[in-house]
Amino acid sequence: GDSVTQMEGPVTLSEEAFLTINCTYTATGYPSLFWYVQYPGEGLQLLLKATKADDKGSNKGFEATYRKETTSFHLEKGSVQVSDSAVYFCALMNTGFQKLVFGTGTRLLVSP
Amino acid sequence: GAVVSQHPSRVICKSGTSVKIECRSLDFQATTMFWYRQFPKQSLMLMATSNEGSKATYEQGVEKDKFLINHASLTLSTLTVTSAHPEDSSFYICSARELRGTQETQYFGPGTRLLVL
Repeated sequence: GDSVTQMEGPVTLSEEAFLTINCTYTATGYPSLFWYVQYPGEGLQLLLKATKADDKGSNKGFEATYRKETTSFHLEKGSVQVSDSAVYFCALMNTGFQKLVFGTGTRLLVSP
Repeated sequence: GAVVSQHPSRVICKSGTSVKIECRSLDFQATTMFWYRQFPKQSLMLMATSNEGSKATYEQGVEKDKFLINHASLTLSTLTVTSAHPEDSSFYICSARELRGTQETQYFGPGTRLLVL
């Protein structure tokens, strides 16, 4: 079945450091890919998405490119802030199946 | 992006009582909503898919008689935890599916933290 694999956390960075959170997927067909962010005590917020190969999703300085050849959707940000500290979930949705398949989440901790 | 609300945000109840959680899509119609459960420091576990006007589809291992789902309108789904017990304490999150043409996105509510004493 479809699955998403994320790097284990926590990822600990200093403010203004470069961020990469790896995400790879296994899926039949051509899924849409998502990054969601969860701040402490809150639900999930859609951060960005890409619906086809080579699409780049971007939002709030974060970006991820849908790489079909490597089945990856790595999340990047050039300069993180303390306020970016949260848990980040990579997810996929296969067309017609409706269900989101989540990775296990990666906790990001940014220190001043 | 689209907004999904949940109510209540936090509830404490006694063992044996029932608790109802509401999920509303505020600025779009959602024929499909989803209910998830999240344990501390873990990913989301899909409990059921709620379809407007029809019965919910439950994931394997989820008791449909314990977790009653009603999707009475295009903007409201409810989850009722019946005869709650301490092991039902968890963070419950709903999401609503927005469909624009062929593109679909799920928007999540802020979650409801349930504590059963």
